Amino acid sequence: SQQGEEDPQALSIQEGENATMNCSYKTSINNLQWYRQNSGRGLVHLILIRSNEREKHSGRLRVTLDTSKKSSSLLITASRAADTASYFCATDRTTGNQFYFGTGTSLTVIP
Amino acid sequence: DGGITQSPKYLFRKEGQNVTLSCEQNLNHDAMYWYRQDPGQGLRLIYYSQIVNDFQKGDIAEGYSVSREKKESFPLTVTSAQKNPTAFYLCASDTGEVGELFFGEGSRLTVL
Repeated sequence: SQQGEEDPQALSIQEGENATMNCSYKTSINNLQWYRQNSGRGLVHLILIRSNEREKHSGRLRVTLDTSKKSSSLLITASRAADTASYFCATDRTTGNQFYFGTGTSLTVIP
Repeated sequence: DGGITQSPKYLFRKEGQNVTLSCEQNLNHDAMYWYRQDPGQGLRLIYYSQIVNDFQKGDIAEGYSVSREKKESFPLTVTSAQKNPTAFYLCASDTGEVGELFFGEGSRLTVL
């Protein structure tokens, strides 16, 4: 499988702390995306980073990409209880505009 | 507001029955996708369509069928040939260019 894998599988932090989750993948990519999923809901796109970018910011989100290590990280700063969700990375495939999704990190932010 | 609508949200099926999950989008997107999600797992691609009247198998197409007769609609039929159909099904769409996927709220199918 060319699916990415997130690490850790589950993460529990206090409100106000930073949350870091990692994604590793197996093959070369053109871009990598991060999505968020609240329990029992659809996924929501957070951020896209291209293979020629090393870091990208969006509000309290910071994404890094290391293509030499085939890994990416998502940092959520100053976490809030509303950030409680599962977070998935998605890597593009070689054909068409489809993606491989990782197994997800379940984040719990304790108020 | 533009978006993707999946129905029904919850569906129960007896073994041996076919069921059809609806997916409608008003985003004017060319490409549409069906994913399956099992508890604690990532998403696996069932079928995708990049243009009307054309669709391709994904990684786990066995036991499923789709049609794409209209740009707005991409229904998924879970047939009796699918041995383990209990799962959360997600429909998504995009413009067909590199970019974000827009997801529906999902349909949870339970086989009794």
